[in-house]
Amino acid sequence: EAGVVQSPRYKIIEKKQPVAFWCNPISGHNTLYWYLQNLGQGPELLIRYENEEAVDDSQLPKDRFSAERLKGVDSTLKIQPAELGDSAVYLCASSLVSGAGELFFGEGSRLTVL
Amino acid sequence: QKEVEQNSGPLSVPEGAIASLNCTYSDRGSQSFFWYRQYSGKSPELIMSIYSNGDKEDGRFTAQLNKASQYVSLLIRDSQPSDSATYLCAVSRNTDKLIFGTGTRLQVFP
Repeated sequence: EAGVVQSPRYKIIEKKQPVAFWCNPISGHNTLYWYLQNLGQGPELLIRYENEEAVDDSQLPKDRFSAERLKGVDSTLKIQPAELGDSAVYLCASSLVSGAGELFFGEGSRLTVL
Repeated sequence: QKEVEQNSGPLSVPEGAIASLNCTYSDRGSQSFFWYRQYSGKSPELIMSIYSNGDKEDGRFTAQLNKASQYVSLLIRDSQPSDSATYLCAVSRNTDKLIFGTGTRLQVFP
């Protein structure tokens, strides 16, 4: 069974540039999460989807971050414009049962903003 | 006060010893508790879940939960160098939001 697939694995951009991350969850997993992880910190939830509906986006900085999950399968997280403080690893995760706590994470997308 | 607190470590133990990792949480309404392991440069993976007071064993891993003290721990018996990683404690109040701690870095030396 394929795991959660994310791309790109690494991205280096200059500040004020846009960037997008893509995630394909495990087949059959209706719940999809985007987390942000800074160095030495635990993952912090940005947004959670149940199918195509964003059910928790309270921690998503909506002035510059946006996300979509069209058709309830893969998802895209966008930052526009990027700031220096956005440098982090963006983790996508999926779960079979909503909120069950058993999350399967992708390898992450490491963003460096110069 | 952080919602989920862990000592960042590193916790250094010799091979074959018991590693004890601790976590406290602030929300008394928390119902579900998890331990994730994260190797350097990799993503977190679930290793243990516990929902009721007491101990839960799975191979060399034992999770312990004390809701009255708002404390959850992970014991790793017969520690191996391959156990060297960061261990993340995660807590959920109900079934919709998982809060992670900052993680404890474990080093097992031969």
